[in-house]
Amino acid sequence: GNSVTQMEGPVTLSEEAFLTINCTYTATGYPSLFWYVQYPGEGLQLLLKATKADDKGSNKGFEATYRKETTSFHLEKGSVQVSDSAVYFCALSSNTGGFKTIFGAGTRLFVKA
Amino acid sequence: DAGVIQSPRHEVTEMGQEVTLRCKPISGHDYLFWYRQTMMRGLELLIYFNNNVPIDDSGMPEDRFSAKMPNASFSTLKIQPSEPRDSAVYFCASSLEPTGPREKLFFGSGTQLSVL
Repeated sequence: GNSVTQMEGPVTLSEEAFLTINCTYTATGYPSLFWYVQYPGEGLQLLLKATKADDKGSNKGFEATYRKETTSFHLEKGSVQVSDSAVYFCALSSNTGGFKTIFGAGTRLFVKA
Repeated sequence: DAGVIQSPRHEVTEMGQEVTLRCKPISGHDYLFWYRQTMMRGLELLIYFNNNVPIDDSGMPEDRFSAKMPNASFSTLKIQPSEPRDSAVYFCASSLEPTGPREKLFFGSGTQLSVL
């Protein structure tokens, strides 16, 4: 079945450091890929998405490229801020998976001033 | 747009009691999802509805759990009887389309359930 694997956290960075959170997936068909972010005490919010191979999703300085050859969708940001501290979830959905969105375990990011 | 509204925000109950969680999706969204979040198991899909009809309930852990959607603006998740292992954050989410360019889940703020 479909699955998502992302790097374990927590990840601790200093402000203005470069961020990478790795995500790989297993899926049949042609899934859409997502990054969601969860701030303390809140529900998840969509950060960015990509619906086909080689697409790049971007938002708020974050980027991720849909790599079909490596089945990956790594999240990157060139310069993190304290306000980026949150839990980040990689996710996929596929019509062969019954339109269900499957989430990775989440990676907690701490950014120090 | 008020977003997805869940109630209550927090629920503390004793083992064996019935618990009912409520969700109001965003108006016009045809898909509604119930997720459970725990440290051990992460975010698990319990059940989802399309146009008020349950489509896939394979994630519902056991018969103690039931979900209904009597109309397009309201859904409930019921646990009867509740057990301590049901303690988790329960999220409701809705979406306009299940796939394609407008595919996006909108989450509520969740219900933190503690079963003592």
